[in-house]
Amino acid sequence: EDQVTQSPEALRLQEGESSSLNCSYTVSGLRGLFWYRQDPGKGPEFLFTLYSAGEEKEKERLKATLTKKESFLHITAPKPEDSATYLCAVQRDSGSARQLTFGSGTQLTVLP
Amino acid sequence: DAGVTQSPTHLIKTRGQQVTLRCSPKSGHDTVSWYQQALGQGPQFIFQYYEEEERQRGNFPDRFSGHQFPNYSSELNVNALLLGDSALYLCASSFRSRTGKTEAFFGQGTRLTVV
Repeated sequence: EDQVTQSPEALRLQEGESSSLNCSYTVSGLRGLFWYRQDPGKGPEFLFTLYSAGEEKEKERLKATLTKKESFLHITAPKPEDSATYLCAVQRDSGSARQLTFGSGTQLTVLP
Repeated sequence: DAGVTQSPTHLIKTRGQQVTLRCSPKSGHDTVSWYQQALGQGPQFIFQYYEEEERQRGNFPDRFSGHQFPNYSSELNVNALLLGDSALYLCASSFRSRTGKTEAFFGQGTRLTVV
C-alpha cells in the first residue's frame, strides 16, 4: 500500500526565515510526486510534479527536490502570503493506475 | 480558461438523503477524479472516470457512485448519507497521456455538511 508522510505537521516562520518541508513516501514504483498548496476552504493549487530522483523544480520562492525516498519543498525568504497547507502526493507507476495518494500536509504560517 | 469548476460550493443535507455533486474539467482534459477531504487530512481518492467509465476506485462503499458525460463533465452521487460523509469533496481533472505523466488540477470543492 502506498504511504506518504509529511513533516512537520505545522511550521511557524518569521518573514524571511527560510526552511524546508519534508515528504517521505513508500510506493511500489513511482510515476510522479506532486506538490500542492491549499488555502483554507479551497481546493489544492498545483505547484510541481517531479518524476525522477535528482530532479528539481523552482517557482518564485519555492524549490522542490526529489530523492528515491523523499521530497523536500524549500521555501526561501518566505512572505506572509506563503501561509497555507502544503500537500504532497504520489502516483504509482502501475499500468492504468492514475490515482494520487496524499499525505496529511504541513500547515505553514509565516509571521510578518 | 475557467479551470476546474464544481457546483454547488456548499450543501447541507439530512442523514439518509441523497446528494449529487457536479464537476466540469479544465479545457483539454479528459479524465476526472473525485476525492474526499476530511478536516485536517489529505484528500482520499474515491474514483476516477475516463471515456465515461469508472477506471479506478478507492476504498469507498457502493453508496458512492459516479458518472462521466460525453463532454467529460462528471457527477458524484452519494446515497443514504451518514454524518461521517461530511467533508470537502474535490474534483480533479487531467489529460490521460500515454506516458502516464500528467498534472492534476483541482476545483474549489463542494463543502457537504450532513446533519
